[in-house]
Amino acid sequence: ETGVTQSPTHLIKTRGQQVTLRCSSQSGHNTVSWYQQALGQGPQFIFQYYREEENGRGNFPPRFSGLQFPNYSSELNVNALELDDSALYLCASRLDRVPYGYTFGSGTRLTVV
Amino acid sequence: KQEVTQIPAALSVPEGENLVLNCSFTDSAIYNLQWFRQDPGKGLTSLLLIQSSQREQTSGRLNASLDKSSGRSTLYIAASQPGDSATYLCATPREGGSEKLVFGKGTKLTVNP
Repeated sequence: ETGVTQSPTHLIKTRGQQVTLRCSSQSGHNTVSWYQQALGQGPQFIFQYYREEENGRGNFPPRFSGLQFPNYSSELNVNALELDDSALYLCASRLDRVPYGYTFGSGTRLTVV
Repeated sequence: KQEVTQIPAALSVPEGENLVLNCSFTDSAIYNLQWFRQDPGKGLTSLLLIQSSQREQTSGRLNASLDKSSGRSTLYIAASQPGDSATYLCATPREGGSEKLVFGKGTKLTVNP
């Protein structure tokens, strides 16, 4: 197992710009989820993909979008960045079998200035 | 709507003490419950996962229990060490297992030498 890898680890963007965050999951992990974690808060669900199709979305605007690829990698895209988008973005994935436990990556720290 | 609460928000103990972290959830129709550890600015490391049919899981000095009927889970840490200092988060998906994880805000643990 190689775990869940996220890139980049840190990123600084200017308000209004667009950003793409990347995640590489373990082989066989057909479900991938993305979470946003503000300082001092628990992670908040952004969306989830299963076999390249979105199958769940949290309370985030459409400028947050994603893609999942057949090679178990995925992307989180955020358009028109706002200052409040500054947070730690976490990718998580899991197998399609009991006990359905999630493995998380180390996250991408996004700072919007 | 599932809500997860963790008490206390912060805890400071001397090295060697046994301690209990609490997690409560409002909707008992959960599929499993997962405990995570998060070091500052880092991703989440899964510690223990308890399936809804189980009452507890153990790993080394950690023991997690689950009482679905009362909407509670506890994480017991025996003989705490300074290396245990971190934020501990609990999270649960609703029945079906395919749904998003709902997190508490975490308990920040400091173990003093």
